[in-house]
Amino acid sequence: AQTVTQSQPEMSVQEAETVTLSCTYDTSESDYYLFWYKQPPSRQMILVIRQEAYKQQNATENRFSVNFQKAAKSFSLKISDSQLGDAAMYFCAYRSEQGGAQKLVFGQGTRLTINP
Amino acid sequence: EAQVTQNPRYLITVTGKKLTVTCSQNMNHEYMSWYRQDPGLGLRQIYYSMNVEVTDKGDVPEGYKVSRKEKRNFPLILESPSPNQTSLYFCAVGLNLGTQYFGPGTRLLVL
Repeated sequence: AQTVTQSQPEMSVQEAETVTLSCTYDTSESDYYLFWYKQPPSRQMILVIRQEAYKQQNATENRFSVNFQKAAKSFSLKISDSQLGDAAMYFCAYRSEQGGAQKLVFGQGTRLTINP
Repeated sequence: EAQVTQNPRYLITVTGKKLTVTCSQNMNHEYMSWYRQDPGLGLRQIYYSMNVEVTDKGDVPEGYKVSRKEKRNFPLILESPSPNQTSLYFCAVGLNLGTQYFGPGTRLLVL
């Protein structure tokens, strides 16, 4: 079964600086999707960025980018020019289709604090 | 505007009193799913539905039931809630390229 691990329960960064959140996963599949979701205090789950495993190019969305290392099964999120609104819980997720079931397998989450 | 709605958003109940959390989508997507979120565990899938009348268990289905009688609705039923079902519940709709769009969440407290 696929597993997703976020080894940093909490991170903090100064406003305007850059921070990287780590994520590793375990899978025997060759084609899959990886995601980062943001959960602000409102508890809404918001998609930040998506990466298709067959694409070698790292995905970027404005200030958010990933470092996807397929061989190492690593999928880190880099937030540049951190803003106060980036403060949230961040979840790494893997889309599994094992056994016909479509589901997202989530990591435990990393709570990001932005210091003004 | 694409929407996934859940009701109620907050619920306090007592052990054994049957309850239903509704989920409705206006995106006409076939795939829908329920997750629960607990501290330190992330989100875990409870049940999912590939289409009308097609449902199956996720990772933590015990104590829950679902039905999918029409495409837009996917209610989550707790026949006899217990305190270990106190959690934050999310309904999600499957979009293209593997993305899932989440509802606003339902916070449930079972006393």
